[in-house]
Amino acid sequence: GAGVSQSPSNKVTEKGKDVELRCDPISGHTALYWYRQSLGQGLEFLIYFQGNSAPDKSGLPSDRFSAERTGGSVSTLTIQRTQQEDSAVYLCASSLAHGRNEKLFFGSGTQLSVL
Amino acid sequence: GNSVTQMEGPVTLSEEAFLTINCTYTATGYPSLFWYVQYPGEGLQLLLKATKADDKGSNKGFEATYRKETTSFHLEKGSVQVSDSAVYFCALSDPGGNNRLAFGKGNQVVVIP
Repeated sequence: GAGVSQSPSNKVTEKGKDVELRCDPISGHTALYWYRQSLGQGLEFLIYFQGNSAPDKSGLPSDRFSAERTGGSVSTLTIQRTQQEDSAVYLCASSLAHGRNEKLFFGSGTQLSVL
Repeated sequence: GNSVTQMEGPVTLSEEAFLTINCTYTATGYPSLFWYVQYPGEGLQLLLKATKADDKGSNKGFEATYRKETTSFHLEKGSVQVSDSAVYFCALSDPGGNNRLAFGKGNQVVVIP
């Protein structure tokens, strides 16, 4: 497809379970970002990948969160031992490069509900 | 640190009314400023941007002017339509903050026919 694709679109899980969220960026985009959107809050930066450089993980809220990007394309965000406060919409975005004027293209997000 | 503040609460207005959404920012360097929009059921998309002081971004009848003296980037539209109903996010990208986009909390705009 032409846009950023995320899967699943909705995920319901039980507290304590692990979840994996997937992002397929736009082909050719070297920068990939994960954000979290909680109810009534803005978008919270989690992590970004730029080409082969080490990712910027400074936004990850705890060591239960991790992400990888294989082959410079698809990315997976993993949340271990999920907690109810992890419930949110997880957004992925990509851009041609990483820079202050770059336009980000967002996916439709994964709605995560932890019961 | 870098941050963006948007006015509190949803905005409800009638078709053809004038819309203003306030946005102020704090940044360590010389940021670029953006408005992103999220239409119902869709992903966020860039609405407009301004990359230096006094620049005006415009798109789809919306405008915002980068005001360094007041650290603001208020979004305006002279005559809204029902199709403008969406959530609007102000954001900044600051080279002093590693070019990471920092977003405001967003404003839900509902336009009533």
